Amino acid sequence: GQNIDQPTEMTATEGAIVQINCTYQTSGFNGLFWYQQHAGEAPTFLSYNVLDGLEEKGRFSSFLSRSKGYSYLLLKELQMKDSASYLCAAMDSNYQLIWGAGTKLIIKP
Amino acid sequence: IAGITQAPTSQILAAGRRMTLRCTQDMRHNAMYWYRQDLGLGLRLIHYSNTAGTTGKGEVPDGYSVSRANTDDFPLTLASAVPSQTSVYFCASAPSGSYNEQFFGPGTRLTVL
Repeated sequence: GQNIDQPTEMTATEGAIVQINCTYQTSGFNGLFWYQQHAGEAPTFLSYNVLDGLEEKGRFSSFLSRSKGYSYLLLKELQMKDSASYLCAAMDSNYQLIWGAGTKLIIKP
Repeated sequence: IAGITQAPTSQILAAGRRMTLRCTQDMRHNAMYWYRQDLGLGLRLIHYSNTAGTTGKGEVPDGYSVSRANTDDFPLTLASAVPSQTSVYFCASAPSGSYNEQFFGPGTRLTVL
């Protein structure tokens, strides 16, 4: 079967660094997406990885290891506005996204 | 219109009633999707369309139907609503059905009583 696992909730302090992990099992693989979703709003795109390694985009970085079926999202210099859910999604061989349940990130001052 | 819109924003519906959720995009994207989002679960794909005139079934299609008469519009119909269809429904679009980020509409919160 196809499955995405990520922690349900994480807490971090403003100004700190947090890493949100995601493991995936899919029928075929065409890349790994991370989305941010603030409460009551739509998901918005953060990053896409298809090759192994780290992709950096400002305060956010995303890492992929295809051999391990593993990805993480790294958020640096945390701000209160980063309080949101972070959704991991893997694209399968049919180009459909398989979504994790999301990680709710709580930022404390 | 800028981006992707959905209507209505929210709706309370009696069980057994028919309901159509509307979705319109002005980005000329070929691919469109309908998801439902329930607490504790990931987004689940209901139906999708890779291009105008074609549709496909996702993970949870039962009780739902879609049409794609043109590029811009992708309505989702519940023929006879049931309480288990209470959810937040998101429409999304992408330039094509592969390798592209999906852009999401603001969502429709549907309650079936």
